[in-house]
Amino acid sequence: DAKTTQPPSMDCAEGRAANLPCNHSTISGNEYVYWYRQIHSQGPQYIIHGLKNNETNEMASLIITEDRKSSTLILPHATLRDTAVYYCIVRFRGTDKLIFGTGTRLQVFP
Amino acid sequence: DAGVIQSPRHEVTEMGQEVTLRCKPISGHNSLFWYRQTMMRGLELLIYFNNNVPIDDSGMPEDRFSAKMPNASFSTLKIQPSEPRDSAVYFCASSRRDRVQPQHFGDGTRLSIL
Repeated sequence: DAKTTQPPSMDCAEGRAANLPCNHSTISGNEYVYWYRQIHSQGPQYIIHGLKNNETNEMASLIITEDRKSSTLILPHATLRDTAVYYCIVRFRGTDKLIFGTGTRLQVFP
Repeated sequence: DAGVIQSPRHEVTEMGQEVTLRCKPISGHNSLFWYRQTMMRGLELLIYFNNNVPIDDSGMPEDRFSAKMPNASFSTLKIQPSEPRDSAVYFCASSRRDRVQPQHFGDGTRLSIL
């Protein structure tokens, strides 16, 4: 199963775009990249997922490099409520498992 | 739409007591997952079910832990006897039986064993 590497923490000014990077250099061709976030004391919240193409939804955009070895989650206009731990996960091949790492703690400041 | 519903939200009990955590998945979802989160170990998958059948329980820490899913709309995670090191937040998640569909999490049960 592919592992992911994320910076432990990042800051972002309110109203600015937050760009959260993730490395997954050992990802296999049929493994998806998922992003979740966890706001303090709540359950993890699904954000977005993708295979090879860039994806966008009402919450965020996901940019996956052509070689699929890294990706970036973009929150276009960060708000204070986006302060959370963000997890980048490569879905365990052949099963339904999600293996959570330590994530990136994003702090949005006024 | 109702999300994943867990009960109780908080549980405080003395060691040695039996603890039962409950989960109602999202209607129409046929995969259910139990996770545990601690500061030391992060978020760990304990067990998951597909169509009410346990598929992988390799994350269950000990025989003191057991999980059941008697029907598509209800699951329990039981700890007997409980120990202080079982103190954690326990999350339940559900998804459609599809290896692409995302899992949706409940708000968790915060368990404290004294």
